[in-house]
Amino acid sequence: DTGVSQDPRHKITKRGQNVTFRCDPISEHNRLYWYRQTLGQGPEFLTYFQNEAQLEKSRLLSDRFSAERPKGSFSTLEIQRTEQGDSAMYLCASMPGAPDTQYFGPGTRLTVL
Amino acid sequence: AQTVTQSQPEMSVQEAETVTLSCTYDTSESDYYLFWYKQPPSRQMILVIRQEAYKQQNATENRFSVNFQKAAKSFSLKISDSQLGDAAMYFCAYKGGRGTSYGKLTFGQGTILTVHP
Repeated sequence: DTGVSQDPRHKITKRGQNVTFRCDPISEHNRLYWYRQTLGQGPEFLTYFQNEAQLEKSRLLSDRFSAERPKGSFSTLEIQRTEQGDSAMYLCASMPGAPDTQYFGPGTRLTVL
Repeated sequence: AQTVTQSQPEMSVQEAETVTLSCTYDTSESDYYLFWYKQPPSRQMILVIRQEAYKQQNATENRFSVNFQKAAKSFSLKISDSQLGDAAMYFCAYKGGRGTSYGKLTFGQGTILTVHP
């Protein structure tokens, strides 16, 4: 039973660069969530996919952020023109359906210099 | 909007003792779910226990149990016979019921639990 995987685990980039993260959910989980967690805080919701459709986006998701889930399988989260304030852990979670439990990946830690 | 509050930034417990972590939440919904997640240092978040709001019986998972007080909007986690491996950040989380909020989780600020040998 493979869990949720995320790649890369760590990313260091310079301000202004673009970065892309990948999340592979548990197979057959049709719901996928992205969260952002800053140091010492709880995760905050960013966006939600049901299959390939992006159904909800937080106001935290500025226009520099874009997420996709082609074919309803893996998902990518891209941040354009990164800023130091984007430094955080980006978590992905998947869920088979409602009402069920979300299973989290290990996260991608982004550091913007 | 729903909010989740964990008023204890840090807690500590002696190995084999019992500790209780507090959580309160605010919602106008009657159907919802509550969770406790554990996040060990540099490791991924895992589910500890979940509670459906429509169930009056408090959830229990081995050494972990909750005290769910719906009227008071309180959801505390009790860890019995604490073990060194219980040391982690613990998050309380809320999820709306069917047809609301697409199942996203709202988290509290977290409580760091230290277990002393």
